[in-house]
Amino acid sequence: GENVEQHPSTLSVQEGDSAVIKCTYSDSASNYFPWYKQELGKRPQLIIDIRSNVGEKKDQRIAVTLNKTAKHFSLHITETQPEDSAVYFCAASPADSNYQLIWGAGTKLIIKP
Amino acid sequence: DVKVTQSSRYLVKRTGEKVFLECVQDMDHENMFWYRQDPGLGLRLIYFSYDVKMKEKGDIPEGYSVSREKKERFSLILESASTNQTSMYLCASNLGAIQYFGAGTRLSVL
Repeated sequence: GENVEQHPSTLSVQEGDSAVIKCTYSDSASNYFPWYKQELGKRPQLIIDIRSNVGEKKDQRIAVTLNKTAKHFSLHITETQPEDSAVYFCAASPADSNYQLIWGAGTKLIIKP
Repeated sequence: DVKVTQSSRYLVKRTGEKVFLECVQDMDHENMFWYRQDPGLGLRLIYFSYDVKMKEKGDIPEGYSVSREKKERFSLILESASTNQTSMYLCASNLGAIQYFGAGTRLSVL
């Protein structure tokens, strides 16, 4: 079955700098890759996603890139702000799984003032 | 506005007790999920359901069961709670790609 690995487990960056979180997946048939953000004490919420027929997607300060050949995808946050501090989860959805998600272990992003 | 509601934010139970965690969604979603969240382990799927009275085991079903008698409600049952089931439990539903989560239930088993 699908397996998703996420790195790093903790990332500390200076406010205003960029942050990059990486995930790898094992099942080449997976075709949907979302990123969720969980602020302290709150529920996870989708922030951006990408499908396997697209290489990159942007939404203001966040972007996701997908390399199907290498089976990895990354979340990029530019000009980080204090409100970006959270735990970020990547996930992969195997084909024909009705959007069941296999999750990475999460990355705690700390924005230093 | 999307709403997934979990019946309790915090629960404290004794070892051996039967525990019910309830989840209700008001979006007429077909799919519902129960996850367990532990630090460093991400979200681990316990059970999911694609339809009423239908259930499938996830990655860690041992010690848990589920019930889905109505489309909007998905219950997680701990038949005999143990201390290693102390955790945060998250319910989610989806229609299409996006999963919508409840606020979570933090369960402590003493």
